[in-house]
Amino acid sequence: SAVISQKPSRDICQRGTSLTIQCQVDSQVTMMFWYRQQPGQSLTLIATANQGSEATYESGFVIDKFPISRPNLTFSTLTVSNMSPEDSSIYLCSVETGTGGSEQFFGPGTRLTVL
Amino acid sequence: TQLLEQSPQFLSIQEGENLTVYCNSSSVFSSLQWYRQEPGEGPVLLVTVVTGGEVKKLKRLTFQFGDARKDSSLHITAAQPGDTGLYLCAGANRGAQKLVFGQGTRLTINP
Repeated sequence: SAVISQKPSRDICQRGTSLTIQCQVDSQVTMMFWYRQQPGQSLTLIATANQGSEATYESGFVIDKFPISRPNLTFSTLTVSNMSPEDSSIYLCSVETGTGGSEQFFGPGTRLTVL
Repeated sequence: TQLLEQSPQFLSIQEGENLTVYCNSSSVFSSLQWYRQEPGEGPVLLVTVVTGGEVKKLKRLTFQFGDARKDSSLHITAAQPGDTGLYLCAGANRGAQKLVFGQGTRLTINP
């Protein structure tokens, strides 16, 4: 299993500012995933981040709004840029379990509130 | 676009009762996963079903994959307050790393 930590665990931010969320894994992984979970809702994939290449974004998400870094095999950041109240959500990172299927381990999430 | 529909979306029952949560799609998946998420935490994998018709048991939880690999169900026997949480099904396709998540079922077990 993988142990995943996220920082910060929660934050309250002002409209128009940016927040960078960090995701640290205790083992080397090829792919990391970033999700958004709006209050009471399911998970929506924002992007897939491979080390050494550009992140792949899902429909409705763009790099200018959600830039992602993946400097090594254990770490990734997601920035939420020029925030508005609609960005208030839980942001989760995850990694594949490495069992050969598509099962994922998730971090505890970052709860973001934008005023 | 592949979609997974979960039902019910909300369920509140008394301790000791049985319940079933459904996860349906018009698409075929190579496997289906079930996760449980508690407040303030990320989803935790409960089980993966891979073969059509497969049944897996995890203590009081029984998971079934439909014969056509388009649907799955989660049955809980004698529910306990500790079963409270958001249950998510997720479909996977062979060769694709992305998961397709259902809308989730928020389950509350009242003592």
